[in-house]
Amino acid sequence: KAGVTQTPRYLIKTRGQQVTLSCSPISGHRSVSWYQQTPGQGLQFLFEYFSETQRNKGNFPGRFSGRQFSNSRSEMNVSTLELGDSALYLCASSSSWQVANTEAFFGQGTRLTVV
Amino acid sequence: GQQVMQIPQYQHVQEGEDFTTYCNSSTTLSNIQWYKQRPGGHPVFLIQLVKSGEVKKQKRLTFQFGEAKKNSSLHITATQTTDVGTYFCAGPTFTGGGNKLTFGTGTQLKVEL
Repeated sequence: KAGVTQTPRYLIKTRGQQVTLSCSPISGHRSVSWYQQTPGQGLQFLFEYFSETQRNKGNFPGRFSGRQFSNSRSEMNVSTLELGDSALYLCASSSSWQVANTEAFFGQGTRLTVV
Repeated sequence: GQQVMQIPQYQHVQEGEDFTTYCNSSTTLSNIQWYKQRPGGHPVFLIQLVKSGEVKKQKRLTFQFGEAKKNSSLHITATQTTDVGTYFCAGPTFTGGGNKLTFGTGTQLKVEL
């Protein structure tokens, strides 16, 4: 079956703009989590969704938001982009109601560069 | 907050040498997972350990979960160039909304011929 699909793969945005990233989980998976990966901070948890409900949120400013649709696809949005938002954004899905319970399947990520 | 640390941060080995990375959590974990991320790639699940003192092997890789369920290790015997990448441990840490998967700081492995 198809893996986790993230679009777009690469993005270049200017400071102050906003961006929307998309994640389609593995078919049948209803839990989706998002992570920000940077060389200095490693993998940082952004948020997690299950059945369209945000279950958990990491320590990121309110400029970072997300949602999940009825087909389990998820989007995250970053408004008023800052240079420090440049990172690889990873989405993961799981067959469990909670991503931390079992194997997480990651997408290839979206590489966001803010200039 | 709950933290998951790994040592070493970097490791360079000659092909054929062994490699070990250690993972330590500030709190007891219900399970520990290990992931590998190749350069330019995304994390890929390797294994999950659940029981105290559990040891699992995958070919040249040996995974251990500590008795107190606060630490874990990954040992690779006779490294090969295909082992290059960053190895992360990850475990559930509790937040107000439930558990989130918290990743360790990672150990970057480089293998030289």
